[in-house]
Amino acid sequence: AQSVTQLDSQVPVFEEAPVELRCNYSSSVSVYLFWYVQYPNQGLQLLLKYLSGSTLVKGINGFEAEFNKSQTSFHLRKPSVHISDTAEYFCAVSEGGATNKLIFGTGTLLAVQP
Amino acid sequence: GAGVSQSPSNKVTEKGKDVELRCDPISGHTALYWYRQRLGQGLEFLIYFQGNSAPDKSGLPSDRFSAERTGESVSTLTIQRTQQEDSAVYLCASSPGTSALLGEQYFGPGTRLTVT
Repeated sequence: AQSVTQLDSQVPVFEEAPVELRCNYSSSVSVYLFWYVQYPNQGLQLLLKYLSGSTLVKGINGFEAEFNKSQTSFHLRKPSVHISDTAEYFCAVSEGGATNKLIFGTGTLLAVQP
Repeated sequence: GAGVSQSPSNKVTEKGKDVELRCDPISGHTALYWYRQRLGQGLEFLIYFQGNSAPDKSGLPSDRFSAERTGESVSTLTIQRTQQEDSAVYLCASSPGTSALLGEQYFGPGTRLTVT
């Protein structure tokens, strides 16, 4: 069965510092990988996705993530964060198929401090 | 255009009562999902609708939970005889036909359900 692990429940970081949010998954088949972001009092928004091809994917707001098949990881990075990046970040995996339901991690709260 | 909307935004109910949650997907989206987010946990898949196909109910936690969708429009999630463990945020998402195969889902703001 698929599962997604986000080991860090909260990541505090100062403004303009780099950040990496970790995501590991387990699956016996090829997967599609996603990062969603939930800003305070808002719904989830797609940040970026890996479907195939280049393992480095770029998303909105300067975020990027790298798919590493051997390490079954899909870590999210940003070289310089802003206060407005404060939000909950969810990693998700899908095996595709007829339903294509998403399996989510427990989320990481990115808390950007001035 | 309008995004996915859900109502009510908040619902407080007494244990044992039935509740009905509503989701209006983005117009033209054929796929619709319901998820549940308990405090401190990730989202759990509940049910999936795609056009007129039989829904995938594999995530429903018990027979107290049911959902309906008429065509490609509104969906309702019903929880009968609510229990305290049903307290959670219930999220609805929709996808256009092709993106439904690729996991790109558009989420509503959720309904926060509190069972007292």
